[in-house]
Amino acid sequence: QKEVEQNSGPLSVPEGAIASLNCTYSDRVSQSFFWYRQYSGKSPELIMSIYSNGDKEDGRFTAQLNKASQYVSLLIRDSQPSDSATYLCAVRGSGNQFYFGTGTSLTVIP
Amino acid sequence: DVKVTQSSRYLVKRTGEKVFLECVQDMDHENMFWYRQDPGLGLRLIYFSYDVKMKEKGDIPEGYSVSREKKERFSLILESASTNQTSMYLCASSPGGAGMGGANVLTFGAGSRLTVL
Repeated sequence: QKEVEQNSGPLSVPEGAIASLNCTYSDRVSQSFFWYRQYSGKSPELIMSIYSNGDKEDGRFTAQLNKASQYVSLLIRDSQPSDSATYLCAVRGSGNQFYFGTGTSLTVIP
Repeated sequence: DVKVTQSSRYLVKRTGEKVFLECVQDMDHENMFWYRQDPGLGLRLIYFSYDVKMKEKGDIPEGYSVSREKKERFSLILESASTNQTSMYLCASSPGGAGMGGANVLTFGAGSRLTVL
């Protein structure tokens, strides 16, 4: 079974700070990497995808990928209370399956 | 936008009952998936399907079966529900193809919360 590991948290940051979420994966042939946000009682929604080494920025979100270290991260700048959610790291392997970490719970304190 | 619709948001069933969870997607996606999500265990893949009438076991298929008679519809069946199947069930779909690309992401339905008494 492919493994995706995340720090379970909970992670608390003050409003306006940078939240840093980390993820490692075991399958070296993984090609695609995703971050999903899940509010309590809701289903996961995609917020970032990244396929190449380096950084990808989208608004306040930056995803970072290092395939050599098998490491993916998500930075949330200027964190807002509305960012409080569980963040799921997902990895798509050589086939069409997606593997998920157990999620990191983030709370942004006003 | 891709829409993945799950037929029931909340269900309460009794032990031993047969349970059907229905999922329909409207964007002609090739791949469909059923996950269950439990606190501390994350999302676990039950079954997935690459094509009509085709199915593959995921990580936890025991006690479940699936049916995909039409491309847009993927059903999860609990033949004889048990209390340890109380969970949130999430259906998802993706466009398919083995290549990379921004389009090949997983889109989830709203989820079905099943309680087995």
